[in-house]
Amino acid sequence: DTAVSQTPKYLVTQMGNDKSIKCEQNLGHDTMYWYKQDSKKFLKIMFSYNNKELIINETVPNRFSPKSPDKAHLNLHINSLELGDSAVYFCASSQERQGSYEQYFGPGTRLTVT
Amino acid sequence: DQQVKQNSPSLSVQEGRISILNCDYTNSMFDYFLWYKKYPAEGPTFLISISSIKDKNEDGRFTVFLNKSAKHLSLHIVPSQPGDSAVYFCAASPHFTSGTYKYIFGTGTRLKVLA
Repeated sequence: DTAVSQTPKYLVTQMGNDKSIKCEQNLGHDTMYWYKQDSKKFLKIMFSYNNKELIINETVPNRFSPKSPDKAHLNLHINSLELGDSAVYFCASSQERQGSYEQYFGPGTRLTVT
Repeated sequence: DQQVKQNSPSLSVQEGRISILNCDYTNSMFDYFLWYKKYPAEGPTFLISISSIKDKNEDGRFTVFLNKSAKHLSLHIVPSQPGDSAVYFCAASPHFTSGTYKYIFGTGTRLKVLA
């Protein structure tokens, strides 16, 4: 059973398009995240939702909009895609309880903007 | 401003020997630390964690050491196995009053275990 899944795994699109990446977790976790890994391999947090409420919103262009229909899903919608958006996007989830604060990651979505 | 640094981009170790991966941080407010392993085309996999109230945590072949005064942590893998060949990331976060942890990741160290 896949704990954190993302679709699609690969996404190739042209500049100016709008695209979405979906994430689902079956771990029963309350908190979900989106990370971006750029060409220099830096893994940086973008957003975090806890029980469908936005709690972390890093400095990212407002072309990026997360949406959490329920606590098991966190989707990422990107408007007007730019070349610099090319990266690997990882979804993660966690259940932050006393003494255990690790996050579990999905397999990643490699986005290529041409 | 890279608050979490892994200064060795790569490391090669003979099978059966000890692998030591290092991580330095600058923010004294960091409260919780994680190590992840990542294979190509996969997401990072959680390995082991340590809280700032401890200086050592052990799980099987993996041990993490934390030196708060030096702002340094290390991951020891003993004995190293070829399947351990991967990129290893350390991550650190302060503890926010909201209960949230916001991890900052290092750039990773590529470990190659030679058979």
